[in-house]
Amino acid sequence: AQTVTQSQPEMSVQEAETVTLSCTYDTSENNYYLFWYKQPPSRQMILVIRQEAYKQQNATENRFSVNFQKAAKSFSLKISDSQLGDTAMYFCAFMKPNTGNQFYFGTGTSLTVIP
Amino acid sequence: DSGVTQTPKHLITATGQRVTLRCSPRSGDLSVYWYQQSLDQGLQFLIQYYNGEERAKGNILERFSAQQFPDLHSELNLSSLELGDSALYFCASSLGQEPNTGELFFGEGSRLTVL
Repeated sequence: AQTVTQSQPEMSVQEAETVTLSCTYDTSENNYYLFWYKQPPSRQMILVIRQEAYKQQNATENRFSVNFQKAAKSFSLKISDSQLGDTAMYFCAFMKPNTGNQFYFGTGTSLTVIP
Repeated sequence: DSGVTQTPKHLITATGQRVTLRCSPRSGDLSVYWYQQSLDQGLQFLIQYYNGEERAKGNILERFSAQQFPDLHSELNLSSLELGDSALYFCASSLGQEPNTGELFFGEGSRLTVL
């Protein structure tokens, strides 16, 4: 079974600074997808960024980028120029295609951006 | 707005009771997923339906059941409720069996409180 571990329950960062959220996963699969989802206080889950395991290039979406280390099974999220609106729970997720697309979520990291 | 609609948004009931949570997926999406989010357990996958049929089952209790109707909306039935069932229940939808774009579209969740 796949497991996703987020070892940082809570983090904080000063506005405009950079923060990195950690995520590790355990799988024997070679083809899979990794995601970061954001859950702001409004509680709506929003996709932040995705990474296909077969792609070596790290995904980037504006201020959000990942450091995907396939051999180490690590998938960290870097938020640059942090903004107050980035305050949220961040969930790392793993998905193996062709299995009913069950997503495995980490327990989340609560990020607070301090003005 | 994700396009996924969940009702009710809030529900308070007593132990031993039965409730039904409803989800309307995004227009055109065939897959519906149910997740439970408790304070101390992160996001737990319950069950997935694809085009009316059960596709994958996660950590869903026997007291819980779900179905997807011909119009693709889904209902999650929770019976013999216990205090520990208090949680946020999310519905998510995706285009097909494989959301290979990597995106699950989440509803705003139904907050269940069991007293």
